[in-house]
Amino acid sequence: KAGVTQTPRYLIKTRGQQVTLSCSPISGHRSVSWYQQTPGQGLQFLFEYFSETQRNKGNFPGRFSGRQFSNSRSEMNVSTLELGDSALYLCASSGSGFVETQYFGPGTRLLVL
Amino acid sequence: GEDVEQSLFLSVREGDSSVINCTYTDSSSTYLYWYKQEPGAGLQLLTYIFSNMDMKQDQRLTVLLNKKDKHLSLRIADTQTGDSAIYFCAEKNSGGGADGLTFGKGTHLIIQP
Repeated sequence: KAGVTQTPRYLIKTRGQQVTLSCSPISGHRSVSWYQQTPGQGLQFLFEYFSETQRNKGNFPGRFSGRQFSNSRSEMNVSTLELGDSALYLCASSGSGFVETQYFGPGTRLLVL
Repeated sequence: GEDVEQSLFLSVREGDSSVINCTYTDSSSTYLYWYKQEPGAGLQLLTYIFSNMDMKQDQRLTVLLNKKDKHLSLRIADTQTGDSAIYFCAEKNSGGGADGLTFGKGTHLIIQP
């Protein structure tokens, strides 16, 4: 079974721009979660989508948003980028069997200049 | 709020056992996980344990859980150079998954030849 895939793997943007990241979960998985990883704050939960609905949300500003499509693929959008948004963005999927086990993708490394 | 604490570094000799420790504060944690992250990569799920278990063994990995002290440990037997990575402890509570997984800051495992 293919793992979680994320595109693009690397991205460079400038302040004020917006960015969209994509995540394809493991086939059959319906839950997709997004995390931000930075050296200072570590791994922080952004939000979780299940069956096209945002089920949970972390403590991030409204500039961070996401959505999930009917095929469970998910996108994350960050508007009005700030330098502090530079991070590794990780997507994780979980299935209906043991729903609490999250499998992570390789991440998208975003650099904001 | 929820908090997960880990030591930042652990150095061991090749062939010895490594023990990585983690403490958490959320008494409602139902699932506890260990993830491994190699340089430039996403998170790899190593193992997990239910909160009603005391121990779980999986090949070279042994997880011990002391629920009373809210202490989790990961023992890696016969540590090899390929085990060099950052190890994250994570917990998920039973409260409907409101905040996703809560991660520690990670322990850098350094292998000495």
